[in-house]
Order: sequence, then structure tokens, then C-alpha cells
Amino acid sequence: DVKVTQSSRYLVKRTGEKVFLECVQDMDHENMFWYRQDPGLGLRLIYFSYDVKMKEKGDIPEGYSVSREKKERFSLILESASTNQTSMYLCASSLFLGSPLHFGNGTRLTVT
Amino acid sequence: EDQVTQSPEALRLQEGESSSLNCSYTVSGLRGLFWYRQDPGKGPEFLFTLYSAGEEKEKERLKATLTKKESFLHITAPKPEDSATYLCAVQGQNSGNTGKLIFGQGTTLQVKP
Repeated sequence: DVKVTQSSRYLVKRTGEKVFLECVQDMDHENMFWYRQDPGLGLRLIYFSYDVKMKEKGDIPEGYSVSREKKERFSLILESASTNQTSMYLCASSLFLGSPLHFGNGTRLTVT
Repeated sequence: EDQVTQSPEALRLQEGESSSLNCSYTVSGLRGLFWYRQDPGKGPEFLFTLYSAGEEKEKERLKATLTKKESFLHITAPKPEDSATYLCAVQGQNSGNTGKLIFGQGTTLQVKP
């Protein structure tokens, strides 16, 4: 079974802090994704990566950046956390185009 | 623009009462339609992929079907452990080579014993 592991289940950060969310997958998947999930808005794509050191903006990239230095690891960075970034963050990976995404269990981030 | 609409938003069933969840989609060149189950506080868990109209997939009490405009998730004789939010997502040609999915808002199913 594919395993996608997110480093933290819960995080509480202060406004203005730099925040790192880490994600690791163990199935040698090419593609990795960061989504956020909010009530009433569903899942929205922040960034994705289709190869090491490659990244593409999703639908809501503002205020975020990403890093993929190794194939198995994809990091989401909040440069200066704001209260409107309080959300559930979900990392996912997929093997190839057309294959399903496999999700981690999420990181619930609260910015105060 | 690719779009996914799920209905109803919420559904309450008695144990054993069969029903269907709907996922209507608009996509330029469907590459795949995906169903996920999400339990509270957890990430979505993959259930099915459907690629072409007329295709059907089954898993235990769940059966997913696909037409050119919508997909149904049929739940036969549900049990309380089927209670969850069910998400539908599509991947279209607009996703390019990225494989990204467009998700619906989900249907929250509650099955009472």
C-alpha cells in the first residue's frame, strides 16, 4: 500500500511566523501535490510537482512556496503565516497521469 | 472551466436503506473520474477510478457508475461504518501533464443503526 506521511497532525503558529509542512511518500511516485481543505470550499490545489526540483502553481499559490529536493519529499512553506491560512493541509502523490492520488492524513494548522 | 458538483450535500439513511450519491461534472476531455471516502480528521481514501462512459466498479456495498455527464455512487444496504464524506473528483485535459484533480464539495453520509 502507498503511504503518504505528513510530519505533523496539528500545528499552532503565530501570525508572521515561517511555517514548514513536510510530506514523504514511499512508493517512488513522480507527482506530488499540496491541497488545502476548508468547509464550504472543498479541496483546492496550492502547488504540485511532477519531478524533483520541478514545481507548478496550483489554483491558490499566493502566500505559499514549495520545495522538492528529493523524489520522496515535498515541503510546503508559508513564508509569513496569516490567520487566513488556518486550514487542513493535505499532501498527495500519484504514480503517473491518470492514476489516483493517494493522500496523507493531513496537517491541521491554526494561525493565531 | 472544469467543474464538479455533488448532491446532496448531506444524506441520512437508516441501516439497510439503499441510496445513491450524484456527481455531475463538466470537463474538457475526461481522463478519469475518482471517488474518495473521507473520515473526520483524516485524508481522503481512494475508492474507485472510472475512465469512460458505461464503466462500473464495485467494492463491497459500493458501486460506482459513469455517464458522459455524471457519476453515481450507489450504496446498497449501508451499515453505520459507511458513514463518511464521499468526494468526487475529475481529471481533464486541462490538467495537462500534471495529473491534478478538481474536487466536488462532497456528500456527507450518516447511516443510523
